[in-house]
Amino acid sequence: QVQLVESGGGLVKPGGSLRLSCVASGFTFSDYYMSWIRQAPGKGLEWLSYTSGSSSYTNYADSVKGRFTISRDNAQNSLYLQMNSLRAEDTAVYYCARVPRGYTYGREDCWGQGTLVTVSS
Amino acid sequence: EIVLTQSPGTLSLSPGERATLSCRASQSVSSSYLAWYQQKPGQAPRLLIYGASSRATGIPDRFSGSGSGTDFTLTISRVEPEDFAVYYCQQYGSSPPTFGGGTKVEIK
Repeated sequence: QVQLVESGGGLVKPGGSLRLSCVASGFTFSDYYMSWIRQAPGKGLEWLSYTSGSSSYTNYADSVKGRFTISRDNAQNSLYLQMNSLRAEDTAVYYCARVPRGYTYGREDCWGQGTLVTVSS
Repeated sequence: EIVLTQSPGTLSLSPGERATLSCRASQSVSSSYLAWYQQKPGQAPRLLIYGASSRATGIPDRFSGSGSGTDFTLTISRVEPEDFAVYYCQQYGSSPPTFGGGTKVEIK
């Protein structure tokens, strides 16, 4: 079955860095655009970034542009989010999610369980 | 960016009642690229509806979506105990994709 499993979250100090990973299984990973979406505690959902199947196309929300970098390794069926210059407002559960074929972003049809990132001194 | 406003913030219903959730966009959503998600506490969101009115795989037919342009609606014909959750709309017709603030459907 289709599955996404995130890891790499934890406690980090303001200004620090963290790299999140997402391992995919049950589908041909390279055929799909993938997204990162986050949810601050008790708040709504915020789209952060997407990458195309070949990594040729990427895009970012203004809130993370220049600080976060999305990447993927199709040989390892893995998606990554490198997060630098972290701020308290980046504290959230981070989800990786699959975008259906034929779409670049949105209507994500499979989500991981999420990994919690806490930015605090 | 398109701002989505969901109403009401909270909907208090008894099992078996009809739920009507609204999502209003600040500008027209291209090609009715509007999705609805359900999220239960401690879980990831689950896709319910895409293209404003198409049910995702495995979604019961008591869930239906409608609307176009700037006004969209998610209807649960008869709320089941497992339907008490938070519901989010998302537009994916223009970049960046955006989510509404959510509607909580709670037990009355």
